[in-house]
Amino acid sequence: GAVVSQHPSWVICKSGTSVKIECRSLDFQATTMFWYRQFPKQSLMLMATSNEGSKATYEQGVEKDKFLINHASLTLSTLTVTSAHPEDSSFYICSASTSGRNEQFFGPGTRLTVL
Amino acid sequence: AQKVTQAQTEISVVEKEDVTLDCVYETRDTTYYLFWYKQPPSGELVFLIRRNSFDEQNEISGRYSWNFQKSTSSFNFTITASQVVDSAVYFCALSDTTDSWGKLQFGAGTQVVVTP
Repeated sequence: GAVVSQHPSWVICKSGTSVKIECRSLDFQATTMFWYRQFPKQSLMLMATSNEGSKATYEQGVEKDKFLINHASLTLSTLTVTSAHPEDSSFYICSASTSGRNEQFFGPGTRLTVL
Repeated sequence: AQKVTQAQTEISVVEKEDVTLDCVYETRDTTYYLFWYKQPPSGELVFLIRRNSFDEQNEISGRYSWNFQKSTSSFNFTITASQVVDSAVYFCALSDTTDSWGKLQFGAGTQVVVTP
C-alpha cells in the first residue's frame, strides 16, 4: 500500500514552455501533498504544501506564479512549471500524506531538463 | 536555522566494513518524528525508519541499526557489513510542529560509497 506515482518520469523542454508534472496517490486518499525540488548533489528542498481543495502554501523564495500547484482531488496534485528556463532544470519529487498520519509517501520523481 | 545536520558529506568504505552516519537535530518541540531515507542513483527515495520522540529504544532491522539519543539530539544510523548495493545518499529528516504538522526538514545528506 501507500504508492505514489509521478508522471512523467523525465521531460525535456525548450526554454519558455510550460511543463506539467502529475503526482497521484494510487491506493490511498492524500489530504496533503508536498512538492520538493532537488538540485544535483543537494538535499530536497520543500517548494510548497497543498491540501485538497485549497490553495497551496509556498515556501519562502518559491514563486507561486511560476510554479502552479493544483490539488483538485484526494488522489491527484499537479505542478506546472510556467515559462521554464534552464535554471529550473532539476529533480522534482512529490510526496503525499493522509490526515492523522505523520508520514509522507514519496513519488519516484521527475527529472526536468530545460534547454 | 538548520534543524537537521548531517556533518558527513561522503563516506567511503570497503565492502563488509561497518559505516555509521551521524544525524543531529534541533527542535523545541517535545513531540516530533525522525526519519531516515535512502536515495540510490535512480533518485527514488526509499523509506528506512520513522521514530517518534517518545521512543528512545534502539532499533535493528537486518544489517541496519539506529541509535536515538535525546540527550545529545542525535539519531545515528549504522550499516553493518556494508555491501555495494548500500551505495547511495542517505538523508535524515525531522518533522515537528513548526509551521505545520507533517512537514519534513531534510539534512544535507551523506553519500555512502561502498567499493568491492
